Amino acid sequence: NAGVMQNPRHLVRRRGQEARLRCSPMKGHSHVYWYRQLPEEGLKFMVYLQKENIIDESGMPKERFSAEFPKEGPSILRIQQVVRGDSAAYFCASSPPSNSGNTIYFGEGSWLTVV
Amino acid sequence: GNSVTQMEGPVTLSEEAFLTINCTYTATGYPSLFWYVQYPGEGLQLLLKATKADDKGSNKGFEATYRKETTSFHLEKGSVQVSDSAVYFCALSDRGGANSKLTFGKGITLSVRP
Repeated sequence: NAGVMQNPRHLVRRRGQEARLRCSPMKGHSHVYWYRQLPEEGLKFMVYLQKENIIDESGMPKERFSAEFPKEGPSILRIQQVVRGDSAAYFCASSPPSNSGNTIYFGEGSWLTVV
Repeated sequence: GNSVTQMEGPVTLSEEAFLTINCTYTATGYPSLFWYVQYPGEGLQLLLKATKADDKGSNKGFEATYRKETTSFHLEKGSVQVSDSAVYFCALSDRGGANSKLTFGKGITLSVRP
């Protein structure tokens, strides 16, 4: 059973370009979470999605950032017009529909560098 | 709101030394508590968890006990190894419902010398 798969692992973008990060949850998991880890900081929650629905986006920046989890295919975190401050590690996590243990499983992360 | 406070780092120990990493939390209700570990260049791995008061989570020689009275979840290991060098994150999750959103501490870097 493959774990949470993220790609690309490393992405370099120039200021003003768009970044797209993809996440395929574990098999059987229908809940996806995105977290951001800025240098020297802990992970911060960004958004929680279920298939075709955004459930909680309280951690998403108001502009330039969007996320989706379509009926088919991976979840996508999209950052438009990237700036240097967007450089960070972006982690995706997933959990099953019934998660009484509250355990979520993380991917290996996508490291975005904006130059 | 929820918050997690970890002791300041980094921490450097010699191999076979005793390890304690402090973690305290603020939360409404009865959260689940977690320790995650991040090895260099890798993602987060769940190290251990506890879902109710007085539960002890354990894995790979690490232990942590959910202390509701002190709102703490300190991580301990009796004898660390060089391979334990990593960043350790304490986290909590509100219980109930399918949303398992985690609140993380800032993390602490542990370096173990041979």
